[in-house]
Formats: sequence, structure tokens, C-alpha cells
Amino acid sequence: DADVTQTPRNRITKTGKRIMLECSQTKGHDRMYWYRQDPGLGLRLIYYSFDVKDINKGEISDGYSVSRQAQAKFSLSLESAIPNQTALYFCATNENRQGHSGNTIYFGEGSWLTVV
Amino acid sequence: AQKVTQAQTEISVVEKEDVTLDCVYETRDTTYYLFWYKQPPSGELVFLIRRNSFDEQNEISGRYSWNFQKSTSSFNFTITASQVVDSAVYFCALGGYNQGGKLIFGQGTELSVKP
Repeated sequence: DADVTQTPRNRITKTGKRIMLECSQTKGHDRMYWYRQDPGLGLRLIYYSFDVKDINKGEISDGYSVSRQAQAKFSLSLESAIPNQTALYFCATNENRQGHSGNTIYFGEGSWLTVV
Repeated sequence: AQKVTQAQTEISVVEKEDVTLDCVYETRDTTYYLFWYKQPPSGELVFLIRRNSFDEQNEISGRYSWNFQKSTSSFNFTITASQVVDSAVYFCALGGYNQGGKLIFGQGTELSVKP
């Protein structure tokens, strides 16, 4: 089983609809992230959470909201989807471990979202 | 501000050629981390390497090698004797000290290896 699971993997939705992307992880990590990938732009950080009570905006949070329901779960919502939110979305997680060693970042398999 | 630039948008080579993917970064941090990820056509991100800023040793893993040069803020990736299975989009990314998984990604380089 994957360490980081995203659902749905593919979704087509209509403009104005609310859509939620869910992420769950089995690593027991405190830190979770949502990224968006657009062609030619790489991945950009939408929101991140360093623990259950901590939510922070990333580079491109407008039009998105998140919920950290538990240590293992971090959901991304588009309250009113628009076509330019069509993208590949990634969830990621890593340990809360400070120091020089850095730490491994685990990415989910991605969720393809198309807004028509 | 932190920034990662992968100037090569697309590269096309013939199998068995060597190919180098360039990555240039900007940061004011003295301690930071650099990453390379591979994204095959299926879309998932495959971790290739993480390098700490205080470790400038080059690294080799099979056909893959990485050249880290702090003096030029570059972290280039070379594939020796490329294969068709190397065809993918490759991302370079930068992470700050104690910033966890908050990474700044480059735009990606699409590598096409033709038989």
C-alpha cells in the first residue's frame, strides 16, 4: 500500500462546483502539504500544515481551503472551481525532524483535476 | 527570495548518449537542501537525490551523477548512456533549513530519449 494516498485520482468537475481532494498518510508524520503542478511552472505550494492545529498558506492559496482532520488526513477544497484550477495536485508529507540531516518527503501519486 | 531555474524546457537525445540537465538556484540561506525528482508519463514523482548545502561532494548512482557547485549555485544532473526508460520530466527543487517539505521547484525539463 502507498504511504500517501490521494483520492480521487482523476476528477472532471464543472465550473462553480465544490470539489474536495483527500489525502491520507500511514507514515505517522506531523507535516503535510498540498502542491499544484501546471505545465511549464513546476510544482507550487498551496497550503501546508506542520501539525493538526497548524494551517498555513503557501504561494498560491487563493481559491483553495484545507482541513486537517487528523494527523493522518489533510483535505484540499475548491469551494467554487474555475477552469484555471485544472491541474495535477500532489499531497506530500514528512517528519518533524530538525537538524542538518534534512528529511525525506513522501509524495502521493497525484490527483488529476479538470474543471470544465 | 528563493528561486530555482531549469533553463532547458525540453531535451531530446538518442539512446546511449549522455545528457546533462541544468539547475541553478537562488537563496540567501546558508543551510539548504537540493533535490531532484523524476516524473514519468504516469505522473507520480520519483525521488532521486537530496543534497545538503554543506556537502559539496559529487554523487554517482549507477548511470546517474550529480555535480553540486556552490560557487555557481548549480546542481546539475547527468545521465550517462541514456535509455528510453529515462524519458520523463525532471524537476530540481530547493528546500530551506527547518522548512520541512516546503520546496521551491524549477519549471522542469522534459527529457525524451529516442531509440
